[in-house]
Amino acid sequence: NAGVMQNPRHLVRRRGQEARLRCSPMKGHSHVYWYRQLPEEGLKFMVYLQKENIIDESGMPKERFSAEFPKEGPSILRIQQVVRGDSAAYFCASSPGTGGIGEQFFGPGTRLTVL
Amino acid sequence: KNEVEQSPQNLTAQEGEFITINCSYSVGISALHWLQQHPGGGIVSLFMLSSGKKKHGRLIATINIQEKHSSLHITASHPRDSAVYICAVGAIKAAGNKLTFGGGTRVLVKP
Repeated sequence: NAGVMQNPRHLVRRRGQEARLRCSPMKGHSHVYWYRQLPEEGLKFMVYLQKENIIDESGMPKERFSAEFPKEGPSILRIQQVVRGDSAAYFCASSPGTGGIGEQFFGPGTRLTVL
Repeated sequence: KNEVEQSPQNLTAQEGEFITINCSYSVGISALHWLQQHPGGGIVSLFMLSSGKKKHGRLIATINIQEKHSSLHITASHPRDSAVYICAVGAIKAAGNKLTFGGGTRVLVKP
């Protein structure tokens, strides 16, 4: 059973470009969480999704950031018009079970660098 | 005040020593997680617990719900235990199990 997969592992973008980060949860998991780790800072919650639904996006910046988890395919975190402050490690985690309560399995992260 | 506080922030130990990392939280929780992160690396879930004590190999995690406190112990520490250890909680009021994280404890075990 493959673990949580994220790609790309490293992404370099210039200011103003778009960044698309992908997360494939573990098989059978229908709950996905995205977290961000800014340089020298702790992890922060961004968004919680179930298949085709955003359940909690209270940690997402109001502008330029969006997330989706379609019926088929990976979850996507999209950052439009990136700025240097978006440089960070973005981790997704997936969880099984009713209500998403349970152990979370983390992906290896995508390290975004904005030049 | 952060909802999740860890201490110490940094810890250096000699190989073989017993290590303790503490975590205090201020909200009602559904569960507490201990995570490990190696430099530049991914995050590994070590424990999820909501009461009592769990043990896996040389790692032991305990939680006291009444005191809102948890500890992670590493027995017979080894240089490969060098990593950042992160405490995280899932709040009862939260939808699903979104996690709130402590700042991490950077552990260095010297040979």
